[in-house]
Formats: sequence, structure tokens, C-alpha cells
Amino acid sequence: RKEVEQDPGPFNVPEGATVAFNCTYSNSASQSFFWYRQDCRKEPKLLMSVYSSGNEDGRFTAQLNRASQYISLLIRDSKLSDSATYLCVVPSHSGSARQLTFGSGTQLTVLP
Amino acid sequence: GAVVSQHPSWVICKSGTSVKIECRSLDFQATTMFWYRQFPKQSLMLMATSNEGSKATYEQGVEKDKFLINHASLTLSTLTVTSAHPEDSSFYICSARDPPRVYEQYFGPGTRLTVT
Repeated sequence: RKEVEQDPGPFNVPEGATVAFNCTYSNSASQSFFWYRQDCRKEPKLLMSVYSSGNEDGRFTAQLNRASQYISLLIRDSKLSDSATYLCVVPSHSGSARQLTFGSGTQLTVLP
Repeated sequence: GAVVSQHPSWVICKSGTSVKIECRSLDFQATTMFWYRQFPKQSLMLMATSNEGSKATYEQGVEKDKFLINHASLTLSTLTVTSAHPEDSSFYICSARDPPRVYEQYFGPGTRLTVT
């Protein structure tokens, strides 16, 4: 099983739609999780951190299911500007560097 | 806060030459910085972890003699791609960890390297 696995998409949704992405992780000891957003040819930018069961920030909600080892990202009322690749990120626990392992990303296109 | 800069933003070089990429944390001190590589339509792959004042830790399969990393100060890490070849063409991104935030990393804008 990959350390972090995401549905690559692409997800093409109309403006105003609600869309959800799932991400599964293999390390049951992981305590924190992140969703990053990456625009084409740009660096990833932190969207949300998840340290407990979930987190909500405006139109974005992240939920964590530890028993099933998956994290979801829900985007409500999609905007054209939400079009991007969304990366699920889980800390690695090798050594003391506290590295991050990136999923392959889910591509979202919001259509007018 | 937590701004990371990278220079240059893009570079084109001839095969066999070396290229140096700089990564700076502008408003915080970063004892640890990370170097990633991203090929088109793929995710970020960690190349190495750069530790201030000590040797970098390289991921499996990354040649340390080809990708030289120096982290001489708390705000600067450099990656030098030596004897570059066309297959080294990629998007190189650095990140820095803001110490109070144990796992959160802040990314530089990336350097697009093209080797001809």
C-alpha cells in the first residue's frame, strides 16, 4: 500500500457545486495531516492542517477518519479560482527530520 | 510571515554545466530545509533534507555527488546540480520548516531547470 494515495481525477465540476476528495494513508501512527493546493507551474501552498477529527475554514472542510485511515477535503460552493491540484500530505516518521510525504494530487477544474 | 524565496525562478543551461539554486527563509530561521523535485504531472518527490551546519540527508536513489547541498546559515540553503544532463530538467522546489510548527512546511516558488 502506498504511504499516501489519492484519486488523481480529474474532477470537472460546475461553479457552485460541492466536491469532495479522499485520501488514504498507510501509517496508522500519523497524527497530523495537511491539504496543500498547487496551481500549474507554481509551488504548493498550505490550505488546511488537520490535527484532530477535522477542520473547517470557510468553504473548505477537512475530515479525518483514523479508524479507516482516510482524510477528506470538501469544497462547497466551488469558485473558478478553486481550479488547481490538491495534494494530500502526511508526515513521515523516519528519523527526526519530520518529513512530509505527498500524495500524487487530485486535479480539480471548476467550469463556468 | 513564513516566506521562502528561491533564486533563480528559471534557468536554461547546457549539458555538462553546473547550476546553483538558492533557497532563503526571509522572516524566520530554518534549521531544516527540504529539496524536492517535481516532474510534469507528478507529485513532489523529496530529494534531500538540508540541516544547518551539518551534512544533508539524501533520499534513496538521489546521488549526493551530483546534487550538492550546502546549508551554511539559518536562512540559506543551496542546491547545486553538477554536470547537468537533459534528464535533470525538472521543477526544483525548496521548503523550510518554521520551528514552532512541527510539520508545516513553507515552499519557495520553485526553480524550473531546463538542460539542453
